[in-house]
Amino acid sequence: DAKTTQPNSMESNEEEPVHLPCNHSTISGTDYIHWYRQLPSQGPEYVIHGLTSNVNNRMASLAIAEDRKSSTLILHRATLRDAAVYYCILRDNTNAGKSTFGDGTTLTVKP
Amino acid sequence: NAGVTQTPKFQVLKTGQSMTLQCAQDMNHEYMSWYRQDPGMGLRLIHYSVGAGITDQGEVPNGYNVSRSTTEDFPLRLLSAAPSQTSVYFCASSLFMNTEAFFGQGTRLTVV
Repeated sequence: DAKTTQPNSMESNEEEPVHLPCNHSTISGTDYIHWYRQLPSQGPEYVIHGLTSNVNNRMASLAIAEDRKSSTLILHRATLRDAAVYYCILRDNTNAGKSTFGDGTTLTVKP
Repeated sequence: NAGVTQTPKFQVLKTGQSMTLQCAQDMNHEYMSWYRQDPGMGLRLIHYSVGAGITDQGEVPNGYNVSRSTTEDFPLRLLSAAPSQTSVYFCASSLFMNTEAFFGQGTRLTVV
């Protein structure tokens, strides 16, 4: 099964950009790359997802490598409210049971 | 819209007791799933469903049963609770497997 690898933790200063990396070297052609974040004592919250092209939304940007073996979630200006655990996962419509969350990256934002 | 609603929010069980965790969504989503999250760890998939009448096992299905008689509801049953099942349980739904997933607020279960 395709798995993702993320750094355990990262730090950022408030109002600076943050680049959160994710490696998924065994990704299949039908896997979508999803990012979620989880605030303390809450359920995960959707951030962004993409297949091949870079994606932007009001929360973040997703940069996908040309070979799709890695991706980067970009928070353009980190705020204290962005401190959370960020999960990069692969979701595939042809294999519904393999979507799994790793341990994610804990992002700390310093004022 | 209420989104994904889980009940109860908290539950304490004695070893050997059974119970059902409820999950309901009002977005007409086909795909629903249950995860458990142990302290300091990521989410692990227990069971999932790609539509009414269809369920399958995820990564950690032992000790749990599910059914999907309607599109809206996806209850998770603990057959005989064990202390190892102490965890936070999250239900999620999405239109399809590869689209945006919505999560409930979780059920914090303690088995003593």
